[in-house]
Amino acid sequence: DAKTTQPNSMESNEEEPVHLPCNHSTISGTDYIHWYRQLPSQGPEYVIHGLTSNVNNRMASLAIAEDRKSSTLILHRATLRDAAVYYCILRDQGAQKLVFGQGTRLTINP
Amino acid sequence: DTGVSQNPRHKITKRGQNVTFRCDPISEHNRLYWYRQTLGQGPEFLTYFQNEAQLEKSRLLSDRFSAERPKGSFSTLEIQRTEQGDSAMYLCASSWTGGMNTEAFFGQGTRLTVV
Repeated sequence: DAKTTQPNSMESNEEEPVHLPCNHSTISGTDYIHWYRQLPSQGPEYVIHGLTSNVNNRMASLAIAEDRKSSTLILHRATLRDAAVYYCILRDQGAQKLVFGQGTRLTINP
Repeated sequence: DTGVSQNPRHKITKRGQNVTFRCDPISEHNRLYWYRQTLGQGPEFLTYFQNEAQLEKSRLLSDRFSAERPKGSFSTLEIQRTEQGDSAMYLCASSWTGGMNTEAFFGQGTRLTVV
């Protein structure tokens, strides 16, 4: 499975945008970029995924570099409820399982 | 639908005992996954089912671990002769094969403590 690299932790302030980076220099052409997050004492929850184009949904935006070797998850206006561990995962189009790394622990300051 | 349900939420057992966890997936989902998560780490894949067929097992799934999904509905994960190293959160997830790269929905997990 192709690897991703994320910062161990990040901190931001409430109501400000947050940009969570992910490097995946060994990404293959058929790998989708998935983001999940895990709130304290909860199972992971899906946030967003994309292949080549930038993606938006009600939770976040995903910006994918042109060479696909990196991506950024954007929370447009962070709330205290966004404090979680965020996982960036590469998933081949034919793969079933998700391979989690250690993720980025995001702290939101009031 | 209340999402993926796991029972029990917590289990404390003595080393050497057998334990069984249950997962009820979202009703229309045909894929079911088990993961294990230790403190400070991301979840690690254990196994997955498509309907009642167990299609992949991780090397992490030793002989003491067995998972079943009779009739392609709920699933059970049994650990025999538990060891202290089995202490972890056991997460179940389900998904549907209807589209490309569909999202997985996770339960809240069963936290196992082996004493």
